Amino acid sequence: GAVVSQHPSRVICKSGTSVKIECRSLDFQATTMFWYRQFPKQSLMLMATSNEGSKATYEQGVEKDKFLINHASLTLSTLTVTSAHPEDSSFYICSARDPTSEQYFGPGTRLTVT
Amino acid sequence: KQEVTQIPAALSVPEGENLVLNCSFTDSAIYNLQWFRQDPGKGLTSLLLIQSSQREQTSGRLNASLDKSSGRSTLYIAASQPGDSATYLCAVRNQAGTALIFGKGTTLSVSS
Repeated sequence: GAVVSQHPSRVICKSGTSVKIECRSLDFQATTMFWYRQFPKQSLMLMATSNEGSKATYEQGVEKDKFLINHASLTLSTLTVTSAHPEDSSFYICSARDPTSEQYFGPGTRLTVT
Repeated sequence: KQEVTQIPAALSVPEGENLVLNCSFTDSAIYNLQWFRQDPGKGLTSLLLIQSSQREQTSGRLNASLDKSSGRSTLYIAASQPGDSATYLCAVRNQAGTALIFGKGTTLSVSS
């Protein structure tokens, strides 16, 4: 089946720094990728829809200047958390949509901001 | 706006029991519904996908039903095992290719 990878799987950063998370579709081209965030004991909440070659679409309440999304190729989308704060600590998961509209999830990235 | 609710939030059962997890959604005009399993600190494992035109899907000891008109789905787990302990997430997709909308999940604990 289709595989989506995320890197890193875990990251710890200091408050005020920026961290980049990569989402790659390994064996298919994904014109659309989705970024979700999951707080402890909460559900996955959609943050933004990333479209190759165009600007991402952000969900209400998600700061686009804080969560920068770049989808520069058909196999890679990146999420950069800028000026991270402890409240940004969360589990970030991406999913990639293949040409048949099936979606496949990455394994997630655990971000801890100290 | 579509909202997905899962009941119960947590469930503890002894090994061998059959159990039902419930999912409801507010807008019945869905494209499909999907059940996932999530182990602590891990990503998602897709269990079953039901298209809006289908009534149920089965995989091994798992059976998922969909009643689109009433906005409900159930996940039936037969002969539960300790290895089934995890959080089960229900998610709906309103249109083809759009993002999934998740419920908060049911955390299942099966004791041996």
